[in-house]
Amino acid sequence: SQTIHQWPATLVQPVGSPLSLECTVEGTSNPNLYWYRQAAGRGLQLLFYSVGIGQISSEVPQNLSASRPQDRQFILSSKKLLLSDSGFYLCAWSVMAVTSYNEQFFGPGTRLTVL
Amino acid sequence: SQQGEEDPQALSIQEGENATMNCSYKTSINNLQWYRQNSGRGLVHLILIRSNEREKHSGRLRVTLDTSKKSSSLLITASRAADTASYFCATDALRTDGLTFGKGTHLIIQP
Repeated sequence: SQTIHQWPATLVQPVGSPLSLECTVEGTSNPNLYWYRQAAGRGLQLLFYSVGIGQISSEVPQNLSASRPQDRQFILSSKKLLLSDSGFYLCAWSVMAVTSYNEQFFGPGTRLTVL
Repeated sequence: SQQGEEDPQALSIQEGENATMNCSYKTSINNLQWYRQNSGRGLVHLILIRSNEREKHSGRLRVTLDTSKKSSSLLITASRAADTASYFCATDALRTDGLTFGKGTHLIIQP
């Protein structure tokens, strides 16, 4: 069966510090991968998605970046965090197939607080 | 930008009652999905309805889709305390990238 992992679960970082959040998927090959952010009491905002190794599409311009160094690994990074980067970051995957309906499976999330 | 808009934003009902949540969207879609999120946790996929479907059932869940009105509803019958969570609709447009989520309905089931 497929599983998705995110770490760390919680993170408190000072403004201006770097960030690296990791997401890995097991039990599937060549998935679509996604990073979402959820501000407090809000819905999810798509940040990045990837359809393959090294292929990253950005939905929202910001000081965050994403990378996909391996098929089932998706990393969210920042060189200098802003207060507005605080939120709940969720990684998700979906099946990459012509007949798929883009049903997405989410990781447990990382709660980031920037102070 | 967010496309889906759920209403109500919050709903509190007694255990055993039915809960209905609505979602409206703006653009053409391939399918519409409902997700559930327990406090501070990841999202769990509940049900998906394709654009050519009008109604779908899964256990105590019933979803309807009206593409002419660009709206959907999620009905949870015989609610239980464990149904307390936030519920989000998400639309999948005619492309293969991410979903567009609404802001969610926070459902509280009182025992």
